[in-house]
Amino acid sequence: DQQVKQNSPSLSVQEGRISILNCDYTNSMFDYFLWYKKYPAEGPTFLISISSIKDKNEDGRFTVFLNKSAKHLSLHIVPSQPGDSAVYFCAALGPSGAGSYQLTFGKGTKLSVIP
Amino acid sequence: GAVVSQHPSRVICKSGTSVKIECRSLDFQATTMFWYRQFPKKSLMLMATSNEGSKATYEQGVEKDKFLINHASLTLSTLTVTSAHPEDSSFYICSARALTGPPNTEAFFGQGTRLTVV
Repeated sequence: DQQVKQNSPSLSVQEGRISILNCDYTNSMFDYFLWYKKYPAEGPTFLISISSIKDKNEDGRFTVFLNKSAKHLSLHIVPSQPGDSAVYFCAALGPSGAGSYQLTFGKGTKLSVIP
Repeated sequence: GAVVSQHPSRVICKSGTSVKIECRSLDFQATTMFWYRQFPKKSLMLMATSNEGSKATYEQGVEKDKFLINHASLTLSTLTVTSAHPEDSSFYICSARALTGPPNTEAFFGQGTRLTVV
């Protein structure tokens, strides 16, 4: 059962417009959420995060919104740039059965920003 | 920012041989390191959680005898793929966490290792 879902495998956006990447989760024990950006053949790069006690976190062109009641978060990129083209992973942090914390990833959304 | 170095970035090995992948935290002590595997067009899948000085915790379905994990120090964890087979060919990524628990928790990732078994 997938606990973190990114239902859109791909997204195309015109340069300068807003990119909205969505993520849904099912586990109410998740208390911290992160977005990572990944280029081909590279490890993910941390982008932005949000604690479950907040509903918005902004960093430059990137803003993450959290709707805890809907178990939904989204990443907004505005304005979108061609260099933003990458795969974006949503991840949720919560207690694992082994007593430590564990990151659970979505399957990713491939963003293509068209010049 | 925190840096995690993973080595090698690419490796090709013959079927039946073993391959060791290193994950180092360069400027912080990592009490916990994570090993992931990425299959084509799929998400990162957690293989195991490695805690310094203790045995790794493997996820269900991951063969602990095949994927040996050693976290001998606070800055180094290794993943050894033993008796590698072509189906083990994949992209392996490690991450390290400097602090435990939220809200100041971020996982810093290595660059990944592309393993090809021929």
